[in-house]
Amino acid sequence: QSALTQPPSASGSPGQSVTISCTGTSSDIGAYKYVSWYQQHPGKAPKLMIYEVSKRPSGVPDRFSGSKSGNTASLTVSGLQAEDEADYYCSSYAGQKIIFGGGTKLTVL
Amino acid sequence: EVQLVESGGGLVKPGGSLRLSCAASGLTFSSAWMSWVRQAPGEGLEWVGRILSNSDGGTTDYAAPVKGRFTISRDDSKNTLFLEMNSLKTEDSAVYYCSTYYYTSGSHNHWGQGTLVTVSS
Repeated sequence: QSALTQPPSASGSPGQSVTISCTGTSSDIGAYKYVSWYQQHPGKAPKLMIYEVSKRPSGVPDRFSGSKSGNTASLTVSGLQAEDEADYYCSSYAGQKIIFGGGTKLTVL
Repeated sequence: EVQLVESGGGLVKPGGSLRLSCAASGLTFSSAWMSWVRQAPGEGLEWVGRILSNSDGGTTDYAAPVKGRFTISRDDSKNTLFLEMNSLKTEDSAVYYCSTYYYTSGSHNHWGQGTLVTVSS
């Protein structure tokens, strides 16, 4: 199964909002509510930011939000801050397997 | 606090074998579903496979590129997850992370720091 499709890069200025898309198929994102997003800073382990499309784990700022429409999921980061600069990966359950997106490098200008 | 600590990485020749371990603490390991996720240098995350808790059947699922070569197992008495890797290829070179997999939310909630596997002659 192919990786989910993400734009390789995204950027925004401090305080702005940026949205990262994640496109799959009717066999993964379109079929299940199990879409999650991960943040990864250089040299660090990934960190769960969003699960079940739009839910935030305890401790994740409410500046991070998620949504889904059809086969495409989205992560929106509002009120960009310097520490948000990182790689972001989407992931979806796909029936006894999990698929990740190729990742998006978010740059805070 | 959940802690996952991977070990066992290193340099191995193509065709060789390696066994990774992941020591877990801060959670009821015997009830946890666990995954291995890898990341090749400069690349994205790739799911390797997962193992259910023994109470849920202990079954395993694998990604296509590793199926038949890699085996995930667990020792609940030692709170440890394993990844046995055989017939290693250069494309298996990556940082390997263990993580908890919450089946109720389909998410990897906790991650270890990773262990580097390099397959090279």
